[in-house]
Amino acid sequence: AQTVTQSQPEMSVQEAETVTLSCTYDTSENNYYLFWYKQPPSRQMILVIRQEAYKQQNATENRFSVNFQKAAKSFSLKISDSQLGDTAMYFCAFEGDGGSNYKLTFGKGTLLTVNP
Amino acid sequence: SQTIHQWPATLVQPVGSPLSLECTVEGTSNPNLYWYRQAAGRGLQLLFYSVGIGQISSEVPQNLSASRPQDRQFILSSKKLLLSDSGFYLCAWSQLLNNEQFFGPGTRLTVL
Repeated sequence: AQTVTQSQPEMSVQEAETVTLSCTYDTSENNYYLFWYKQPPSRQMILVIRQEAYKQQNATENRFSVNFQKAAKSFSLKISDSQLGDTAMYFCAFEGDGGSNYKLTFGKGTLLTVNP
Repeated sequence: SQTIHQWPATLVQPVGSPLSLECTVEGTSNPNLYWYRQAAGRGLQLLFYSVGIGQISSEVPQNLSASRPQDRQFILSSKKLLLSDSGFYLCAWSQLLNNEQFFGPGTRLTVL
């Protein structure tokens, strides 16, 4: 079974600075998909970024980028130029490409607070 | 564009009462549908998923059940609620294999 670990329960950053959230996972599959979701106080889950394991290039979406290290099974999220609206719970998630199709396994989340 | 709806938004129910939460998706056909529960301060736990009408897979043994009576409708039910059923319930959909899941606004359930 796959597991996803987010070792930082809480983090804080000053507005306009950069912050990196950590995520590691465990799987025996060779191809899979990784996601970062954001859950603001409204509790709406919003997809931030997606990475396909067979792609070596790290995904980027505006101020959000990932550092995907397949051998180390690491998938960290970097938020540049942090904004107050980035304050949220961030979840790392894994989806396999084998028998566990369709199912997302989530980490326990990192609560990020952006301070003015 | 696709949208996903959940209702009710908030629900307070006594222990032992029945439950019915509804989720509908618009703007797509034959989606994969999911029910998750999020306990306070914790991550999401997958409860059920469905790849088609009448096809339900359960991930966790519990007193909850799910049904998919129509292509874009997913219902979470219980005959008798327990205190431990309290939580935030999220419905999600995805299209075919290994695509990202899109979440509804959620239902906050409190069992007293």
